[in-house]
Amino acid sequence: QKEVEQNSGPLSVPEGAIASLNCTYSDRGSQSFFWYRQYSGKSPELIMFIYSNGDKEDGRFTAQLNKASQYVSLLIRDSQPSDSATYLCAVNQAGTALIFGKGTTLSVSS
Amino acid sequence: NAGVTQTPKFQVLKTGQSMTLQCAQDMNHNSMYWYRQDPGMGLRLIYYSASEGTTDKGEVPNGYNVSRLNKREFSLRLESAAPSQTSVYFCASRKVGLGRGRSTEAFFGQGTRLTVV
Repeated sequence: QKEVEQNSGPLSVPEGAIASLNCTYSDRGSQSFFWYRQYSGKSPELIMFIYSNGDKEDGRFTAQLNKASQYVSLLIRDSQPSDSATYLCAVNQAGTALIFGKGTTLSVSS
Repeated sequence: NAGVTQTPKFQVLKTGQSMTLQCAQDMNHNSMYWYRQDPGMGLRLIYYSASEGTTDKGEVPNGYNVSRLNKREFSLRLESAAPSQTSVYFCASRKVGLGRGRSTEAFFGQGTRLTVV
């Protein structure tokens, strides 16, 4: 079992809807959490990071962290076709290893 | 400011051949990483280097070796390539040790698409 788990999808939402992406992790010592977006054939690019329990908002994106339940989520409001990509959750394990989930493919239809 | 630079971008090897993938960063980051990405598998950590002079195995280290040449450079070597090593390889770097277990995000190179025939 991978230490960072994501539903692979695809997750399909209509334009303007809210897309919800979830991630669970196994290492209770993890302190830093990241969401990346990756377009086909491109390198991953950072969307958001979160360190503390609760919500963190940046424009249309909201990251949510619950360390007690060991999950982190990403909400995308007002989804656009340009948001169609693979979203990767990454967790900083105790130490310096940065572990990624398998990614969730999001498709936003216009 | 180039960020993370990987070479080469594409490579075709025959089974049993060896090669080294090069990675360099100019952001003064202390930690560097090598990942491979296969369809549907996300990014899997091969090896990482927390700081100059140290290296550690990741999730899928078999068949690979690494060298942290200096603070800027981290290379990945395939001694005897196998078809199972056909993949896209990404190098990344970041700064760790911000306190309270926190770290910056990882910055990625453009990737190396490797095919072993």
